[in-house]
Amino acid sequence: NAGVMQNPRHLVRRRGQEARLRCSPMKGHSHVYWYRQLPEEGLKFMVYLQKENIIDESGMPKERFSAEFPKEGPSILRIQQVVRGDSAAYFCASSPPGDRGEQYFGPGTRLTVT
Amino acid sequence: ELKVEQNPLFLSMQEGKNYTIYCNYSTTSDRLYWYRQDPGKSLESLFVLLSNGAVKQEGRLMASLDTKARLSTLHITAAVHDLSATYFCAVVNAYKYIFGTGTRLKVLA
Repeated sequence: NAGVMQNPRHLVRRRGQEARLRCSPMKGHSHVYWYRQLPEEGLKFMVYLQKENIIDESGMPKERFSAEFPKEGPSILRIQQVVRGDSAAYFCASSPPGDRGEQYFGPGTRLTVT
Repeated sequence: ELKVEQNPLFLSMQEGKNYTIYCNYSTTSDRLYWYRQDPGKSLESLFVLLSNGAVKQEGRLMASLDTKARLSTLHITAAVHDLSATYFCAVVNAYKYIFGTGTRLKVLA
């Protein structure tokens, strides 16, 4: 059973470009969560999605950031017009159906904005 | 708002010594996790603590939970260099994992 998969693992973007981060949950998992880890800090919750629904996006910056989890395919975290402050590690986690399932974390995507 | 604080933030210790990392949280929660993270890597799950008084041990690491004091500890016994990493506690608030700031541990040979 493959774990949570994220790609790319490393992404370099120039200021003003768009970044697209992908997350494929574990088999049988229908809940996806995105977390951001700034340098020297802990992970911070960004958004919680179920298939075709955003359940909680309270941790997402109001502008430039969006997330989706379509019926088919991976979850996508999209950052438009990236700035240097977006440089961070972005981790995806997935859990099985139900509100109390343990979250399993992917390997992360390290975004560097130059 | 649930807050999670860890201390110390940095810990440099000699091989063979014992030390404890503390994790305090501000409101009730029914689960607490400890993770290890090596530089540039993802999180490795170490322990999940579910109830008051829970104690779990794996090798040189032992974690405990006091829900009344809202405190968890990660105790390191006879540290070895391979334990050098950053350790995070995370408290669950509904579906959100609230992470502490991390304790960066360096074990000196």
